[in-house]
Amino acid sequence: AQKVTQAQTEISVVEKEDVTLDCVYETRDTTYYLFWYKQPPSGELVFLIRRNSFDEQNEISGRYSWNFQKSTSSFNFTITASQVVDSAVYFCALTDGSGNTGKLIFGQGTTLQVKP
Amino acid sequence: NAGVTQTPKFRILKIGQSMTLQCTQDMNHNYMYWYRQDPGMGLKLIYYSVGAGITDKGEVPNGYNVSRSTTEDFPLRLELAAPSQTSVYFCASSHGGLSTDTQYFGPGTRLTVL
Repeated sequence: AQKVTQAQTEISVVEKEDVTLDCVYETRDTTYYLFWYKQPPSGELVFLIRRNSFDEQNEISGRYSWNFQKSTSSFNFTITASQVVDSAVYFCALTDGSGNTGKLIFGQGTTLQVKP
Repeated sequence: NAGVTQTPKFRILKIGQSMTLQCTQDMNHNYMYWYRQDPGMGLKLIYYSVGAGITDKGEVPNGYNVSRSTTEDFPLRLELAAPSQTSVYFCASSHGGLSTDTQYFGPGTRLTVL
């Protein structure tokens, strides 16, 4: 069965610190997709990134970067020079491999607090 | 485009009452989903639809029903509300449902059952 584990329940950093959010997944599928979503205090879910299982290149978008390592089944998310606006709950998610339904399996989320 | 809209934003129900959570998307997406988010937890799939007239159960469907008569709308019905259904409900949609596709979420409905 598919599973996503975000072992860090809460992380607190001071502004400008770098922070890494861990995501470990389990799947028997050879083709799958991983996602990160951000949930700010306002409650909506904001899509951040999608990565397929065949592309292990790291991705950087501004202060955000993602490290996908198939060998360790991990898809970690790093925020460089964190800002107060980065305070949110971050979810890692995996597509369910049972056909082309796009169903997502979410981790429990990591709450990031960035203090000024 | 408004994207995915959900109504109401908040609702308090008494045990045994029924209600419908509305979800509408204006992106002409074929696939739509309902998730629930319990406090401190990730989202769990309740029901999903791959097109008008087609629905299927997700991980936690008990106590809920859905219908999909149009591409735009995907209402979620709660019959005989129970305290265990206190949660935040999110509707999402995607274009093709392929694993490559990204789901876009509505703002959520916060439901309390007392």
